Amino acid sequence: EIVLTQSPGTLSLSPGERATLSCRASQSVSSRYLAWYQQKPGQAPRLLMYAASNRATGIPDRFSGSGSGTDFTLTISRLEPEDFAVYYCQQYGSSPIYTFGPGTKVDIK
Amino acid sequence: EVQLLESGGDLVQPGGSLRLSCAASGFTFSSFAINWVRQAPGKGLEWVSSISYSGGSTDYADSVKGRFTISRDNSKNTLSLQLNSLRAEDTAVYYCAKGGEEYQLVSLYMDVWGKGTAVTVSS
Repeated sequence: EIVLTQSPGTLSLSPGERATLSCRASQSVSSRYLAWYQQKPGQAPRLLMYAASNRATGIPDRFSGSGSGTDFTLTISRLEPEDFAVYYCQQYGSSPIYTFGPGTKVDIK
Repeated sequence: EVQLLESGGDLVQPGGSLRLSCAASGFTFSSFAINWVRQAPGKGLEWVSSISYSGGSTDYADSVKGRFTISRDNSKNTLSLQLNSLRAEDTAVYYCAKGGEEYQLVSLYMDVWGKGTAVTVSS
């Protein structure tokens, strides 16, 4: 089973700042198999990125994803007030099919 | 608009059973794999089960294998999850989530999520 680790656990930033979130896999993962989700309190997760670097429909271009192998990054170039949320990475694999990272909370400094 | 609407969550005693449903609209339901993902209170996301677009292929997390059963009715655009032998650790919000690619046994990611339905297992 591939384990995903996200860092930092919490990121305290101000609106307008750049956010860099890390997702590390315990084994190499195809970039095709890596996705990112955003979840706000009391809401369902929302797909942000798929195949590591492809923005989902309607996601603003201040969100970008990169990485390969075991290290992946989600970057928010300039934080907007609505971006303060928890972010999860997810990989597709086998047994289990999907694993999620523990999440990074981006909160207001 | 693509929508998923879960229902059926409730308070149930340990060892009890429950059936969750997910009603889909706004897309060709029979073309996409669908998943159940749960989130325990204050915790992260955990994949529970998946079913292929045709319903012919299913998969389960080890934590629920043998206790939960996923099914779909493509004529009614509905997905179900039968939960048996429930345990306290099954307490969570259960989300149904649509696979992102057509005609895949399993999708690489989930592009639309419902709002979730809450299951509480407690005596």
